[in-house]
Amino acid sequence: EVQLVQSGAEVKKPGESLKISCKGSGYSFTSYWIGWVRQMPGKGLEWMGIIYPGDSDTRYSPSFQGQVTISADKSISTAYLQWSSLKASDTAMYYCVRDPSDDGYCDYWGQGTLVTVSS
Amino acid sequence: DIVMTQTPLSLSVTPGQPASISCKSSQSLLHSDGKTYLYWYLQKPGQSPQLLIYEVSSRFSGVPDRFSGSGSGTDFTLKISRVEAEDVGVYYCMQGIHPYTFGQGTKLEIK
Repeated sequence: EVQLVQSGAEVKKPGESLKISCKGSGYSFTSYWIGWVRQMPGKGLEWMGIIYPGDSDTRYSPSFQGQVTISADKSISTAYLQWSSLKASDTAMYYCVRDPSDDGYCDYWGQGTLVTVSS
Repeated sequence: DIVMTQTPLSLSVTPGQPASISCKSSQSLLHSDGKTYLYWYLQKPGQSPQLLIYEVSSRFSGVPDRFSGSGSGTDFTLKISRVEAEDVGVYYCMQGIHPYTFGQGTKLEIK
């Protein structure tokens, strides 16, 4: 069974760093792209970027380029989304998704990680 | 970036009645490979989004046949032939040309 299991909710202060994770199982992790989607409270979905764990090829949406870093450790079938300095506006639910062909076909979604940034 | 515009933003439907959501893109989604990368996702209350329709009109595995997608170029439609209570949630169209972008979402409620 294909699963994407994300790390738990986080509460952080502005300026702090954070790395959240998404562990894939039930399929060949290195053969499928993993994307990240943001959903701010009460708002819609926003595409952040995508990585191919096989060779770490990464593409960012211009809105998120330079704001976050997407990475993957294929040895443990895990993708990451990280911030070096959080802002209150980073408060959101973050979903990882599996995209077999890097064309928007997001067939599996993680359960979401809620990040709250507050002083 | 390609802008995706959905209408209406909310919909209240009596069970058993049809529903339709429009999605327009700011440029053609027809790729040079001949495919059109337009998707429909449903986010049920309290859940992660789920794929309903891919490449305009193909239903994802397990999606009931009351859901159908159509369209081409820049104009697309999701139709539900007979709405059921379990169809409640927010429907998003999404285009699959980088950077991917979603529509604003259409909230479907049951009357």
